[in-house]
Amino acid sequence: DAGITQSPRHKVTETGTPVTLRCHQTENHRYMYWYRQDPGHGLRLIHYSYGVKDTDKGEVSDGYSVSRSKTEDFLLTLESATSSQTSVYFCAISQGRRLNTEAFFGQGTRLTVV
Amino acid sequence: DQQVKQNSPSLSVQEGRISILNCDYTNSMFDYFLWYKKYPAEGPTFLISISSIKDKNEDGRFTVFLNKSAKHLSLHIVPSQPGDSAVYFCAASAVNGNKLVFGAGTILRVKS
Repeated sequence: DAGITQSPRHKVTETGTPVTLRCHQTENHRYMYWYRQDPGHGLRLIHYSYGVKDTDKGEVSDGYSVSRSKTEDFLLTLESATSSQTSVYFCAISQGRRLNTEAFFGQGTRLTVV
Repeated sequence: DQQVKQNSPSLSVQEGRISILNCDYTNSMFDYFLWYKKYPAEGPTFLISISSIKDKNEDGRFTVFLNKSAKHLSLHIVPSQPGDSAVYFCAASAVNGNKLVFGAGTILRVKS
């Protein structure tokens, strides 16, 4: 298995509170991605990173921010959680500029906002 | 507006028979397509891919077909096995992009 770890695996939080999800890799891959999975929508890209301190928005970035201060860590922050952000969040890593090469996904974080 | 569409939410097949999962896309800039498989409580895992310069790619029991004129691809699993029961996601990447766009997924159930 690829060395990619997400933490926490499960979290319940209250509306309006900040939440940070962590993705840690041991593969030294350049690219890291945050996706959310929702019924009927598949996997939608939130943000991605193409290097330390280099990040860009995906298709559903509103309400989320990211940071990458080290190659191995990619953090996703919900500044003020809302019920619409209840979802399963997946981190992915890839070596190449494009995800043409095999991309590895973490096991996911199930976030519930009450 | 979904650029990658999997119009069948679920599919049920008998063990040993063929499973065909379909995917349509709208963006003409997509030139690389992938299928991922996902079991409950696990992350998606890469299954097979195809470049737009090909119309077929085969890997064991899995074959992906690409019809560029119809903007359609399909995944064939022959023979289907109970362990193939999972959610299958179609994904696409554009020639000038570095992001994967996913479909909504199809739940495959293989009955023994």
